[in-house]
Amino acid sequence: NAGVTQTPKFQVLKTGQSMTLQCAQDMNHEYMSWYRQDPGMGLRLIHYSVGAGITDQGEVPNGYNVSRSTTEDFPLRLLSAAPSQTSVYFCASSYSPGTGNTIYFGEGSWLTVV
Amino acid sequence: AQRVTQPEKLLSVFKGAPVELKCNYSYSGSPELFWYVQYSRQRLQLLLRHISRESIKGFTADLNKGETSFHLKKPFAQEEDSAMYYCALASGSRLTFGEGTQLTVNP
Repeated sequence: NAGVTQTPKFQVLKTGQSMTLQCAQDMNHEYMSWYRQDPGMGLRLIHYSVGAGITDQGEVPNGYNVSRSTTEDFPLRLLSAAPSQTSVYFCASSYSPGTGNTIYFGEGSWLTVV
Repeated sequence: AQRVTQPEKLLSVFKGAPVELKCNYSYSGSPELFWYVQYSRQRLQLLLRHISRESIKGFTADLNKGETSFHLKKPFAQEEDSAMYYCALASGSRLTFGEGTQLTVNP
């Protein structure tokens, strides 16, 4: 059971480049989400999805796109990378958020935009 | 809007000393609160949740609705407890995290 898998683990981008962070889970979870982790700011929700075909914005969605074509996958796209997007990105999943349901996190993706 | 605040960014204690990591929240409904731990460069792991009132690795946390707090406590800190700790509040489809507290337990 792989849990939540994120790729790549490390990436360096030039300003203006685009890229996709991949996230896959094999637990048949309906709920998936992306967070960014910055020093002194904790984890902030970028986008989330409550099921295939359904996505919604979180706290800091600007500059990011998501889609959820399957239950297993929830990729995060950076359309035109900016230095302010240098961060550690975590994907998470659970059966559903809230009561009694554990949220599982991926190992993180370290992104540097130069 | 919901909000979680962890007033201490850094906390340093000696091994064997008691430790308390503070968490305050603001939320208009009935809160569902969690503590997550992140060891150095590893993924976040659920430490405990208020609804189950369990004790994990000697840590406990009590929800105080009057003071809107969910402080994490351990009577005798160990070196292996050194990590980043996040308090989080769940509401519907969203999980809101505090800023995190970096705990260092010195030998």
